[in-house]
Amino acid sequence: DVQLVESGGGLVKPGGSLRLSCAASGFTFNTYSMNWIRQAPGKGLEWVSFITSTSDYIYYADSVKGRFTISRDNAKNSLYLQMNSLRAEDTAMYYCVRDYSASGGDALDPWGQGTLVTVSS
Amino acid sequence: DIQMTQSPSSLSASIGDRVTITCRPSQSIGSYLNWYQQKPGKAPKLLIYAVSSLQSGVPSRFSGSGSGTEFTLTISSLQPEDVATYYCQQSYSTTFGGGTKVEIK
Repeated sequence: DVQLVESGGGLVKPGGSLRLSCAASGFTFNTYSMNWIRQAPGKGLEWVSFITSTSDYIYYADSVKGRFTISRDNAKNSLYLQMNSLRAEDTAMYYCVRDYSASGGDALDPWGQGTLVTVSS
Repeated sequence: DIQMTQSPSSLSASIGDRVTITCRPSQSIGSYLNWYQQKPGKAPKLLIYAVSSLQSGVPSRFSGSGSGTEFTLTISSLQPEDVATYYCQQSYSTTFGGGTKVEIK
């Protein structure tokens, strides 16, 4: 079964840092682009970052550009999100999500169970 | 950025009812439109991709249609297990609609 398992979330003070990890299994990780998507408590979904299979192309939402860094280690089947200069508005559930290429465009499938990041003093 | 406007933001319907959710992008997106279902306390799940293609394992009571700047998700006969929030997403630049919360009347 395809599985994505996030870890690394927790409580951090404003201005602090956190590194999220996502362990992938059940598929050929090094052939898929990956995403981080977040969801603030009681709110909708917000795309955070994207990385291609070989890390050639990386994109960020404006809200995190310059503070977050996405990376991957294909040898370890792992995706990462380094989050620096954290703000209260970064508080959210962070999901690791595979890019699913289908005729007619890409989609997001599957999603991990999420890891909760809380930024508070 | 392409903005995605979903309506209604919530609805309450009876078991067996036909339910329709609409998504309107701020500009034409061709067929780059996907739908997701998020049950309470769970991660979202892909329901429909490329406007109308049902993801594997999704019940046939779900269907999608539309093009350009208006898209629709339809549940032909609402079931108790369909209680969830539904999100549309455009895959040009990955933005989501605000969500539609579906409840049973």
